[in-house]
Amino acid sequence: KAGVTQTPRYLIKTRGQQVTLSCSPISGHRSVSWYQQTPGQGLQFLFEYFSETQRNKGNFPGRFSGRQFSNSRSEMNVSTLELGDSALYLCASSTRTGGNNYGYTFGSGTRLTVV
Amino acid sequence: AQKVTQAQTEISVVEKEDVTLDCVYETRDTTYYLFWYKQPPSGELVFLIRRNSFDEQNEISGRYSWNFQKSTSSFNFTITASQVVDSAVYFCALSGRNSGNTPLVFGKGTRLSVIA
Repeated sequence: KAGVTQTPRYLIKTRGQQVTLSCSPISGHRSVSWYQQTPGQGLQFLFEYFSETQRNKGNFPGRFSGRQFSNSRSEMNVSTLELGDSALYLCASSTRTGGNNYGYTFGSGTRLTVV
Repeated sequence: AQKVTQAQTEISVVEKEDVTLDCVYETRDTTYYLFWYKQPPSGELVFLIRRNSFDEQNEISGRYSWNFQKSTSSFNFTITASQVVDSAVYFCALSGRNSGNTPLVFGKGTRLSVIA
């Protein structure tokens, strides 16, 4: 069965622009979580959605937002991009909030570069 | 607060050597889950194992084994007879359960290089 699909794989944006990243979870998975990975801070939790509702939110500024659609697909948006937003953004899906017996299934990520 | 420490930033071994990746965690939750993930160059995190706080049995899966010790708050990962394909960054993660399901808290990762 298909895994977690993230699009696009690579993205280059200019400071001040906004960006939208997409994540399609595994079929039947209703929970989608987003993580930011940078060399300095490592993997940090952004937010989690379950059945179109945000269930958890990490410690990120309001420029970072997300949503989930009725088909469980999720998008995250970053407005007014800063150089420090350059990172690998990983999406993870699960059958329920907080992961299932096999943890979360991660996608390959979107590598965002802000110039 | 929850915290995961992977003190080894990088490890380099010669193929067929055994290697142990250390993971120390902190949590006030009495119920929690521990995970190990592998991140190859392609970027995705590949799930390796999940362990709950009530199960301290060691686990072996092929060349992989895990040693969970609550007394020392450690969840170490050993690869036996390492292979070049094991080269990757390995992450240990923790999720508390006392206050509902909390997101994964990751360690900084250990980059393993296996040299042929």
